[in-house]
Amino acid sequence: KAGVTQTPRYLIKTRGQQVTLSCSPISGHRSVSWYQQTPGQGLQFLFEYFSETQRNKGNFPGRFSGRQFSNSRSEMNVSTLELGDSALYLCASSLGDRISYEQYFGPGTRLTVT
Amino acid sequence: AQSVTQPDIHITVSEGASLELRCNYSYGATPYLFWYVQSPGQGLQLLLKYFSGDTLVQGIKGFEAEFKRSQSSFNLRKPSVHWSDAAEYFCAVGAREYGNKLVFGAGTILRVKS
Repeated sequence: KAGVTQTPRYLIKTRGQQVTLSCSPISGHRSVSWYQQTPGQGLQFLFEYFSETQRNKGNFPGRFSGRQFSNSRSEMNVSTLELGDSALYLCASSLGDRISYEQYFGPGTRLTVT
Repeated sequence: AQSVTQPDIHITVSEGASLELRCNYSYGATPYLFWYVQSPGQGLQLLLKYFSGDTLVQGIKGFEAEFKRSQSSFNLRKPSVHWSDAAEYFCAVGAREYGNKLVFGAGTILRVKS
């Protein structure tokens, strides 16, 4: 079974631009969660999608948004990029929206904002 | 609100020595507790989890962890460390009412001396 796929793996953007990251979950998984990982703030929860609906949201500004498609693939978008948005963005997929289901993480997208 | 503390930022052990990584959590009800490992440039891999029942849980790669409610701790242990265990380890807490959201500790970087 293929694992969680994230594209692109690396991205360089300029301040003020916007970016879209993609996550393809494991086949059959319906929940996708996104996390931001930085040296200063560590791993922080962005949001979770289940069956195309946002179920949970972390404490991030409205510049961070996401969506999930009917095939469970998910995208997250960051508008008006700031230097502080440079981070590793990880997505995790799970069978369902309950914590008892194991979450599988992708390798991440490394975003650098210059 | 949930929170996780990993008091040790770095730990160095000799190959073959035993290992204990500390984790303290804060959550009012029964938490769901996890340990993940991250190798450089990789996503997170689940080592083990505690939901209920036996407070000593076994995981992959020879790791185990013990849930101690009275100390709000969930320490990770391994009797004999291998050089390939060098990585960053994250403790995380979840809760049923928050779906798949995980709150992570800051991580502990494990170095293994040969």
